[in-house]
Amino acid sequence: QKEVEQDPGPLSVPEGAIVSLNCTYSNSAFQYFMWYRQYSRKGPELLMYTYSSGNKEDGRFTAQVDKSSKYISLFIRDSQPSDSATYLCAMRGRSNDYKLSFGAGTTVTVRA
Amino acid sequence: DAGITQSPRHKVTETGTPVTLRCHQTENHRYMYWYRQDPGHGLRLIHYSYGVKDTDKGEVSDGYSVSRSKTEDFLLTLESATSSQTSVYFCAIRRDSSRNQPQHFGDGTRLSIL
Repeated sequence: QKEVEQDPGPLSVPEGAIVSLNCTYSNSAFQYFMWYRQYSRKGPELLMYTYSSGNKEDGRFTAQVDKSSKYISLFIRDSQPSDSATYLCAMRGRSNDYKLSFGAGTTVTVRA
Repeated sequence: DAGITQSPRHKVTETGTPVTLRCHQTENHRYMYWYRQDPGHGLRLIHYSYGVKDTDKGEVSDGYSVSRSKTEDFLLTLESATSSQTSVYFCAIRRDSSRNQPQHFGDGTRLSIL
């Protein structure tokens, strides 16, 4: 079983819809949680970075962490065609090497 | 822009040949990482470095070696390339400005081993 599980999709939604993405994990030591966006043939770009449980909002993006359920989510409101990309969740514990564990990524298409 | 340049951006080579990929950063951060990305696996850590000449293995290090003789450059070498090493390779840095800085990635090298 992988340490981080993420549904690969693909997910296709109409423009303006809410996109809901999630990851589950098994390592209770994870403390820091990230969402990256990756466009085709580009590197992952940091979208959201959260610590411990709770919600964080940044414009149209909301990240949620539920450590008791080992579950994290990313919501994209008012989705745009420019949001079409692969979204990767990533997480790490407190160790000094800052090594990340990634989900496999979910591919999202927003239809105009 | 994280100030990371990876070279080459694309490479095709034959099984058994040595291959070296370069990651160059402009900001002199301590921590640098090499990942490979394959369908269904996400990003997997190959090796990382926490300073000049200080490196350690990641989860998929077999068949790879690294070197860091200068802060700004982190090299990944496939001593004898195999077809299973066909992948997209990403370099990442972690900014030193605080303990909890996330990693930032370059745009990758697409490597095909025939």
